Order: sequence, then structure tokens, then C-alpha cells
Amino acid sequence: SYVLTQPPSVSVAPGKTARITCGGNNIGSKSVHWYQQKPGQAPVLVIYYDSDRPSGIPERFSGSNSGNTATLTISRVEAGDEADYYCQVWDSSSDHGVFGGGTKLTVL
Amino acid sequence: QVQLVQSGAEVKKPGASVKVSCKASGYTFTSYYMHWVRQAPGQGLEWMGIINPSGGSTSYAQKFQGRVTMTRDTSTSTVYMELSSLRSEDTAVYYCARMEDRYSGMDVWGQGTTVTVSS
Repeated sequence: SYVLTQPPSVSVAPGKTARITCGGNNIGSKSVHWYQQKPGQAPVLVIYYDSDRPSGIPERFSGSNSGNTATLTISRVEAGDEADYYCQVWDSSSDHGVFGGGTKLTVL
Repeated sequence: QVQLVQSGAEVKKPGASVKVSCKASGYTFTSYYMHWVRQAPGQGLEWMGIINPSGGSTSYAQKFQGRVTMTRDTSTSTVYMELSSLRSEDTAVYYCARMEDRYSGMDVWGQGTTVTVSS
């Protein structure tokens, strides 16, 4: 089955740029989606189709996907961005959805 | 507005079954797939399966094959997820989430249903 690998944690100072990676075999050939989840809340889609932003998501959130790594970039990080972030793809070979293990973003 | 409203919290004994509902409103029910995702306490998101409300076809994660059944009722715009032979490891928050097609993101989520399995 297809596996997505994320770093367990990323720390960043306010105002700086956070990059959260999602590794997978030839992930660049798949569409990657990113979700933000704050404690006690349902996940929220923040990036879809690698780099598109849903309405209401700040432009500070961006995404890229190439080769074996997809990246969620959060510019000018704010305290309110502190959350868990998950990447997700559809594995067409198994007809299954797949989530990465999640990354806890800490704002110092 | 578009929303998914799930049924309330459940407490079940090991070996029992649970059926969680997810009622959709604000959009054409049969135009979006519905996923079920669960999250055990302190753990990450786990994909369980998908149902196409239009025809009722399903695909389940290997881990849940034989224990999970996803159904839908188009007359009430509701999807259901039933998990049987419950064990303590099934204690989790269960979410439904819609998706326009298999390759798009899950853009609307239910509020989650807590299922506790305890003797």
C-alpha cells in the first residue's frame, strides 16, 4: 500500500516561514491535499490539488509537489497557525485514500 | 450553507456494533463522494472508506474489510457507517467528509462522532 511520510514536528518563530514535507514514492504524479487540524476540531482543507487554496484560506498558505516530496509552506507564521497538518492523496492502484502521519507545527 | 451533521456520541461494549450517520445539506447529495475517516485519541487521521451516494458503490480500507459497511439513503441525504465486532482499539472520533471526486480534497467535514468501546 502507498505510504506518506511526514516529520512528526516542525517548529518556527512567528513571522518566519514553515515548511512541512510529505514524502511518497513518485508523489509528484499524484494530487496532494493538505489539512489543518486544531485541538478538538475537525480537519480543515487548506491546500488541494498540490497548490490551490480554498476560499477563506490566507495566501500565506501555499503548496508544491514534485518528485518524491510535496511541501506545504506557511509564510509569515502566526500563533494561530499552530496545529497538526496532514497530507493526503488518492492511491488509484488500491482505490484507497491515504493520509500522512501528521506534523505538529509549533510556533515558538 | 453546506454542512454535514453527524449523529451523537456512542458508548459500546466489545463485540457490539455501532452505526454512525452523516446528514448532508446545502448541496446535491449525489454529486459528491463521502469518506469516513477516524482518529484515535492522540493519533493521526486514518482513512476507512468511501461511498458514492449516487450508486452506492463503496471501497473500504483493507484494515476494515469485513467489519465495516457504508450505506446511503438518498431520500434523506444521509450516509451511514456501521462498524461491527468492536474492540477497545476502535475507540476514536469518526468523521464523514465529502469529496467531489476521488482525486480532489475533502472540502467539508462533519463535526465528528466519538465512539467509546469499553466493557
